[in-house]
Amino acid sequence: DTEVTQTPKHLVMGMTNKKSLKCEQHMGHRAMYWYKQKAKKPPELMFVYSYEKLSINESVPSRFSPECPNSSLLNLHLHALQPEDSALYLCASRAGGTDTQYFGPGTRLTVL
Amino acid sequence: TQLLEQSPQFLSIQEGENLTVYCNSSSVFSSLQWYRQEPGEGPVLLVTVVTGGEVKKLKRLTFQFGDARKDSSLHITAAQPGDTGLYLCAGVSAGAGSYQLTFGKGTKLSVIP
Repeated sequence: DTEVTQTPKHLVMGMTNKKSLKCEQHMGHRAMYWYKQKAKKPPELMFVYSYEKLSINESVPSRFSPECPNSSLLNLHLHALQPEDSALYLCASRAGGTDTQYFGPGTRLTVL
Repeated sequence: TQLLEQSPQFLSIQEGENLTVYCNSSSVFSSLQWYRQEPGEGPVLLVTVVTGGEVKKLKRLTFQFGDARKDSSLHITAAQPGDTGLYLCAGVSAGAGSYQLTFGKGTKLSVIP
């Protein structure tokens, strides 16, 4: 099973809403990633978790709050987003000692 | 800052034609990967090249890594409509047990039947 799942597939939210994106993998990977991808652009790294600890935060605004409650699950909590935060949010996971990241299908987020 | 320049940005060709996509880096990465992404989906890894001068083939796709490990190319022979998608090259940086990807801007390929 090389699948990374993400829910929801689509999300529309207002600027005052609080919502969460969920990412799950059961491959035993201990590194997990959040990326943001705007239309016609490549993915941009947001956060990296290694062994459930935040190891990299690419200067992401605090309205994005990641959480890794266990080795299979990665959440991204959203609060007070702006319309320019509308994008495809991708999750990826990687096995230790390898350089291959497995990407989920993404959550298409629209902020009104 | 390590940068990856990918060209062309857009490519529209007829079914059966050949094409080449280029990826050039200002510096050396641990390895270089090529991904294909379809609309509404995440990128899917096609290949990883590690050694300078390496050539890998995946059916009609041929991937080359330059001798200096700073440039790479993807050549598709006899393109099919199913090859349509966004092709991304990504440099892999390894350090402190973490691997990060630096993506090129991508090449949006349309193969017309």
